[in-house]
Amino acid sequence: GENVEQHPSTLSVQEGDSAVIKCTYSDSASNYFPWYKQELGKGPQLIIDIRSNVGEKKDQRIAVTLNKTAKHFSLHITETQPEDSAVYFCAASIKGNYGQNFVFGPGTRLSVLP
Amino acid sequence: EPEVTQTPSHQVTQMGQEVILRCVPISNHLYFYWYRQILGQKVEFLVSFYNNEISEKSEIFDDQFSVERPDGSNFTLKIRSTKLEDSAMYFCASRRSGGAYEQYFGPGTRLTVT
Repeated sequence: GENVEQHPSTLSVQEGDSAVIKCTYSDSASNYFPWYKQELGKGPQLIIDIRSNVGEKKDQRIAVTLNKTAKHFSLHITETQPEDSAVYFCAASIKGNYGQNFVFGPGTRLSVLP
Repeated sequence: EPEVTQTPSHQVTQMGQEVILRCVPISNHLYFYWYRQILGQKVEFLVSFYNNEISEKSEIFDDQFSVERPDGSNFTLKIRSTKLEDSAMYFCASRRSGGAYEQYFGPGTRLTVT
């Protein structure tokens, strides 16, 4: 089955710097890759996603890149702010009978230092 | 903006007791999911539900678990006889339609089994 790895497990950056989190997946049939932000005590919040027919997607300070050949995708956050501090999870879809189920990576704890 | 809601936010129960976790998905969504997150670990898929039946389930979702959509708005997860290892955050998620892959998560229910 699908396996998703995520690196690094923790990341500390200075406010204003960029942060990059990388994920790899094993199933070449996966076709959808969301990123979730989880703040303490809250549910995962979808922040950006990418489908397999696209190589890059950007939304303000957040971007995601996908390399289907190498089976890896990355989250890029520019001009980081203290409120970006959270745990970030990548996920890859598994095509089920009627829809897409996700396999999540283990998470990256991002700390943005003021 | 519509949100997935879950009740209760925290449930404490004794081993062997039955619990029901409740979710109200976003109103025009058709696909429903339960995920579990043991403290400090990644989010794990439990079950997906579409058209009033289970479409996929993971190895975690054994005979002790069941799901139901008792009316047009609620989606429930029942654990028949709780075990200590069932202690976790349980997240409900919903998705609009077959062509939309985005899953939106609720805030979660923290289940503590003593």
